[in-house]
Amino acid sequence: SAVISQKPSRDICQRGTSLTIQCQVDSQVTMMFWYRQQPGQSLTLIATANQGSEATYESGFVIDKFPISRPNLTFSTLTVSNMSPEDSSIYLCSVSRATEAFFGQGTRLTVV
Amino acid sequence: AQSVTQLGSHVSVSEGALVLLRCNYSSSVPPYLFWYVQYPNQGLQLLLKYTSAATLVKGINGFEAEFKKSETSFHLTKPSAHMSDAAEYFCAVARFGNEKLTFGTGTRLTIIP
Repeated sequence: SAVISQKPSRDICQRGTSLTIQCQVDSQVTMMFWYRQQPGQSLTLIATANQGSEATYESGFVIDKFPISRPNLTFSTLTVSNMSPEDSSIYLCSVSRATEAFFGQGTRLTVV
Repeated sequence: AQSVTQLGSHVSVSEGALVLLRCNYSSSVPPYLFWYVQYPNQGLQLLLKYTSAATLVKGINGFEAEFKKSETSFHLTKPSAHMSDAAEYFCAVARFGNEKLTFGTGTRLTIIP
């Protein structure tokens, strides 16, 4: 299994500001995934973060808006930049191990 | 590319009745299929997974799902609904076990007392 800790668990931010979300895993993993869950919606993959290389972004997501760091095999950050109310969502970190994906509790972001 | 379609964004069943949540997949390769549950204000929890072994998969909390290649389906069932089953359920697909997941739109299950 894998235990994932995300911080912060929730935040209320002013539009135009940025928020960095941290994801810590209890053991080393090659790939970490960042998902977004907009209110009442399903999960959409933002990007895949590999240690030692640039993150791979899905269609509709760009590095300038969602920069990702992956400094080691147990840690990653996702920044939501220049926020607008449309960025209000739950952001989840995920890792996969032995054909199972594990998720953090998520960061509930409200932009006002 | 992989995709899943969940029929019915809302399903209501009476307590003690059969639960059936539908999921159809599209995949260019033999898929890995998953069902996750999300309780209010909580993260996602894996219910069960299909990884090309047995086609009938048993999961936690009495849930099971059957992989039917001919129908490209992976429907989730539970013989007798319990009030604690009220939650959002997501079907997901991946090309292989440790890859990114593609989620369906989710089904909100309501249990009627």
